[in-house]
Amino acid sequence: QSVLTQPPSVSGAPGQRVTISCTGGSSNIEAGYDVHWYQHLPGTAPKLLIYGNSNRPSGVPDRFSGSKSGTSASLAITALQAEDEADYYCESYDSSLSGWVFGGGTRLTVL
Amino acid sequence: EVQVLESGGGLVQPGGSLRLSCAASGFTFSTYAMSWVRQAPGKGLEWVSVISGNGGSTYYADSVKGRFTISRDNSKNMVYLQMNSLRAEDTAVYFCAKEGGPHLSKWYRQYWGQGTQVIVSS
Repeated sequence: QSVLTQPPSVSGAPGQRVTISCTGGSSNIEAGYDVHWYQHLPGTAPKLLIYGNSNRPSGVPDRFSGSKSGTSASLAITALQAEDEADYYCESYDSSLSGWVFGGGTRLTVL
Repeated sequence: EVQVLESGGGLVQPGGSLRLSCAASGFTFSTYAMSWVRQAPGKGLEWVSVISGNGGSTYYADSVKGRFTISRDNSKNMVYLQMNSLRAEDTAVYFCAKEGGPHLSKWYRQYWGQGTQVIVSS
């Protein structure tokens, strides 16, 4: 049971828009700590997609965007491409654990 | 170009020890915190430990506290994870990552290595 809750899977057709939610609690997201998002293809190095709730590192396409409100955050991916098929994880700092927590991960399938 | 490369994984018996190494390059090493994150088979990512740039501050997940020790050698651009009293549930791919962000609660895993496999089994 992860501290941050994500849907196990989402799917969409090429060109469509999908969103992945990340729900936390009073000691992490609701407490005001930043949410970060990572993309991971099994067998490869995870990649930072979004940091500080909504900031994109250089090189990440603007098809990827992040937002945060209250106890939850969201990752939106527009104009879906086959190469977006991967696992996506949210992450935040948790003050009660004095450490970082990940969501359980969401598998994105491009139909 | 930032590069992070882990090594030292392998097969170890329950109760045994293993030391993972992480070589970093492409940035001013001593300026940045470094962390370890793991992924057990079929599971998601789990943060394990982080060390500040000067090595003066370290933090651990409850699941490894008292058994794992993170350290760094800024003269060699290396980070280490000493893992003692290993358990079957420590079996995972262990990733090393360079941190980004201005201070502790805003740190995030900016660049990751490809990981090294640790298997704890008799």
